[in-house]
Amino acid sequence: GAGVSQSPRYKVAKRGQDVALRCDPISGHVSLFWYQQALGQGPEFLTYFQNEAQLDKSGLPSDRFFAERPEGSVSTLKIQRTQQEDSAVYLCASSLNRALSSYNSPLHFGNGTRLTVT
Amino acid sequence: AQRVTQPEKLLSVFKGAPVELKCNYSYSGSPELFWYVQYSRQRLQLLLRHISRESIKGFTADLNKGETSFHLKKPFAQEEDSAMYYCALSGTYKYIFGTGTRLKVLA
Repeated sequence: GAGVSQSPRYKVAKRGQDVALRCDPISGHVSLFWYQQALGQGPEFLTYFQNEAQLDKSGLPSDRFFAERPEGSVSTLKIQRTQQEDSAVYLCASSLNRALSSYNSPLHFGNGTRLTVT
Repeated sequence: AQRVTQPEKLLSVFKGAPVELKCNYSYSGSPELFWYVQYSRQRLQLLLRHISRESIKGFTADLNKGETSFHLKKPFAQEEDSAMYYCALSGTYKYIFGTGTRLKVLA
């Protein structure tokens, strides 16, 4: 399977616990995005990586959210001290895009991780 | 402000009827516009993009810069078109999504 892989598919956490969500992008994809999708809403941008560099983290809702992509492939989204409002589906997407290209390559999404904070 | 608006949360049509899913955007510049679709139990996937100017599964979408719209159309809906549809824009690298429209095609 050459698609974007996310794990776990489902995560239940007690309020205050830390969680780590993993994303395995398509091999060779330069760009990687994390989105948060609340029930009944569209995906909301969290952060963007170009290779290992985190170029935009403006969508991270608080300093409890942290993302990394240390070797420019697999990425991890970590949420510390989870709160109920963090309950959502977390989507990872990758694209082939290179900087300053004329057009944006389309996003390829994973299946998402559904996080429920109780 | 960059924004994508999909005014309809739910659109129900009968099989064989025409479909139009509305999308309006706000962006200072020349964005790229996309339609993504999510079928039941499947991941979000690209349906079509304005620069391709192609028809996918019978769907077309024309970018109207004057009206800042990118409505998705199909002349004859089929039951397998039932899904969530998201309009998205991309300026530089960031993609901004609308809230989505659920299309239900009734037999």
